[in-house]
Amino acid sequence: GAVVSQHPSWVICKSGTSVKIECRSLDFQATTMFWYRQFPKQSLMLMATSNEGSKATYEQGVEKDKFLINHASLTLSTLTVTSAHPEDSSFYICSANIGAGANYNEQFFGPGTRLTVL
Amino acid sequence: QKEVEQDPGPLSVPEGAIVSLNCTYSNSAFQYFMWYRQYSRKGPELLMYTYSSGNKEDGRFTAQVDKSSKYISLFIRDSQPSDSATYLCAMSGNTGGFKTIFGAGTRLFVKA
Repeated sequence: GAVVSQHPSWVICKSGTSVKIECRSLDFQATTMFWYRQFPKQSLMLMATSNEGSKATYEQGVEKDKFLINHASLTLSTLTVTSAHPEDSSFYICSANIGAGANYNEQFFGPGTRLTVL
Repeated sequence: QKEVEQDPGPLSVPEGAIVSLNCTYSNSAFQYFMWYRQYSRKGPELLMYTYSSGNKEDGRFTAQVDKSSKYISLFIRDSQPSDSATYLCAMSGNTGGFKTIFGAGTRLFVKA
C-alpha cells in the first residue's frame, strides 16, 4: 500500500523559533499533498493544498507567511511554521493524493507531527 | 450548517456488538465517500471508500451510501477492542475543486 512518512514525529520548540516538518511519499509519486491541522478531539482542518512545482493554495484564514509550504519534488513537501507561538501547538498531518481517474481523490495520510511551542 | 455532520460520541459498546456509525451531509455534489480510522496520536488510515450510492463490504466492515437522503453509514460486525479508535467520515466531489471534507469523527470504545 501507499506509505507516507512524516518527520519529525514530535517536536518541542521555544516561542519565536521556526520549525520545519517533512512529508514524504515513500513508494509513489504524489503530485498533490495536503497539510492538515488537528486539535485534540477535533477533526482535520485543511490548511493548504501543495502541488509539486507550484505555489500552495491556502485555505481561508490560514496565514501563508506563517505556514510556509514547499513542494519541491514529487515525493517531498515541507511545512515550516515560522515564529511559532504557543497557539500553534497542534497535531500536523500531511496526506498525499493518488489519483484514480479524473475525479477520485484518495488520500494517504502520514503519521502526524505533534508540535508543542513553549 | 456544516457540510458534513458527524456525532462525536463517545460511543461505547461491548465486544461482539454491531456498531453503526453515521454521517449526514448537505452538498449534493459529493460523489466519493470514505471512512477513515484514526488511533490516538496517529494519522488516519483509509478503511473504505464508496462511489455514489450503494453498499460495499470488506470483512467485518460495511459502508452504505444513500445519496437521496444524504446519509452514509459504516457498520462494524463482531466488534473487537482493537476497533477502539476515532472513525472519520469524509467525502469529496466536484464542488469547485476536489477537496475532501471530513466529519468531526466519532470516538468508539469497544469493551472486552
